[in-house]
Amino acid sequence: GAVVSQHPSRVICKSGTSVKIECRSLDFQATTMFWYRQFPKQSLMLMATSNEGSKATYEQGVEKDKFLINHASLTLSTLTVTSAHPEDSSFYICSARRDSYTDTQYFGPGTRLTVL
Amino acid sequence: AQKVTQAQTEISVVEKEDVTLDCVYETRDTTYYLFWYKQPPSGELVFLIRRNSFDEQNEISGRYSWNFQKSTSSFNFTITASQVVDSAVYFCALSEIQGAQKLVFGQGTRLTINP
Repeated sequence: GAVVSQHPSRVICKSGTSVKIECRSLDFQATTMFWYRQFPKQSLMLMATSNEGSKATYEQGVEKDKFLINHASLTLSTLTVTSAHPEDSSFYICSARRDSYTDTQYFGPGTRLTVL
Repeated sequence: AQKVTQAQTEISVVEKEDVTLDCVYETRDTTYYLFWYKQPPSGELVFLIRRNSFDEQNEISGRYSWNFQKSTSSFNFTITASQVVDSAVYFCALSEIQGAQKLVFGQGTRLTINP
C-alpha cells in the first residue's frame, strides 16, 4: 500500500509554454501533499505544501504565480509550471501523507522537466 | 530553524567494506523525526527509516544500522558488507512531529560501491 504516482515521468517543452505535472495517491487518501524540486546533484527543496480543498502554502522564495498548485481531491494534486524557462528545468518530486500525524510521507517517482 | 548537514559529499569504497554515512542536525524542537532515504540513479526516493526523537535505541535492519545520538545531534547510517547495489545518493532528513511535518533534507552523500 501507500503508492504515489506522477505523470508524466519526463517532459520536454519549449520556453514560454506551461507544463502540468500530476501527483496521485493510488491506494490511499492524501490530506496533505508536498512538492519538492531537485536540481542536478543537489538536495530536495520543499516548494509548497498543499491540503485538499485549500490554497497551497509556498516556501519562501517560491513564486506562487509561477508554480500553480491545485489539490482538488484527496487523491490528486497538480503542479503547473507557467511560462516555463530553461532555469525551471529540474526534477520535481511530490509526496503524499494520509490524515495522520503519525504517518510518514510517501514519495512519487519524480518528473524530469527540461525546458528548451 | 531546522538544518541537516551531511558533510560527506561523496564516498567510494570497495565491495564488502563497511561504510558509515554521517548526519548532523539542528532543531529547536524538543520532539522531531529523523529519516534516511536512498535515491538510486532512477531518481525515486526509497524510504529507509524514520526515528522518533523519543527513541534513542539503535536499530538494525539486515546490513543496515542506524546510530542515533541525541547528545551530539547525530543520526549516522552504517552499511555492513556493502554491495554494488547499495550505490546511490543517501539523504538524511528531519521533520517536526506536529504541524505540517515538512521535511528538511541534508545535501546528500553519493555512495559508490566498486566491485
